[in-house]
Amino acid sequence: KNEVEQSPQNLTAQEGEFITINCSYSVGISALHWLQQHPGGGIVSLFMLSSGKKKHGRLIATINIQEKHSSLHITASHPRDSAVYICAAHSGGGADGLTFGKGTHLIIQP
Amino acid sequence: DAGITQSPRHKVTETGTPVTLRCHQTENHRYMYWYRQDPGHGLRLIHYSYGVKDTDKGEVSDGYSVSRSKTEDFLLTLESATSSQTSVYFCAISAQDRNSPLHFGNGTRLTVT
Repeated sequence: KNEVEQSPQNLTAQEGEFITINCSYSVGISALHWLQQHPGGGIVSLFMLSSGKKKHGRLIATINIQEKHSSLHITASHPRDSAVYICAAHSGGGADGLTFGKGTHLIIQP
Repeated sequence: DAGITQSPRHKVTETGTPVTLRCHQTENHRYMYWYRQDPGHGLRLIHYSYGVKDTDKGEVSDGYSVSRSKTEDFLLTLESATSSQTSVYFCAISAQDRNSPLHFGNGTRLTVT
């Protein structure tokens, strides 16, 4: 079974700071997902990637397959970025092959 | 946004009663999932479906059953609710079983007293 670890568990930063959230996994994967969950809210898919880097607005996701590591970066952070960020790794098999991290709780203070 | 609707959004029930949660999608996606989210745990898969009448167990399936009689609807039933099933339940859909974006519903908060 894949072990997915996120760090840090909690992160408080000031508006405008560059944010990095890390995700490491223990076995080879076919894809990695980054998700966002606002307090009391639903879960939104941010990225799905299997190699390299993807960018959407101020969000950037990278993955290093050899090192079994992915990062989510937020540039020019804003209070509306405050949320729980979750990574999930698909380690083969079928539809039941997705393992979720416990999430990183991010607070951006104005 | 993907068209996924969960109902009810909130439910309080007593131990021993049956409960059914509904997930409805308008995306015609083949794969549907039920997850539970609890403090200190990542999302955990309860059951999933890969087509009408085709379902399989996930990591934490004990005490739960599912049915999918139509592409758009996936029902999760707690046959006899227990306090350990107090949780937030999320439905998700995807077009393929892997390497395909997941789209989540807004969740159902279930409290078993």
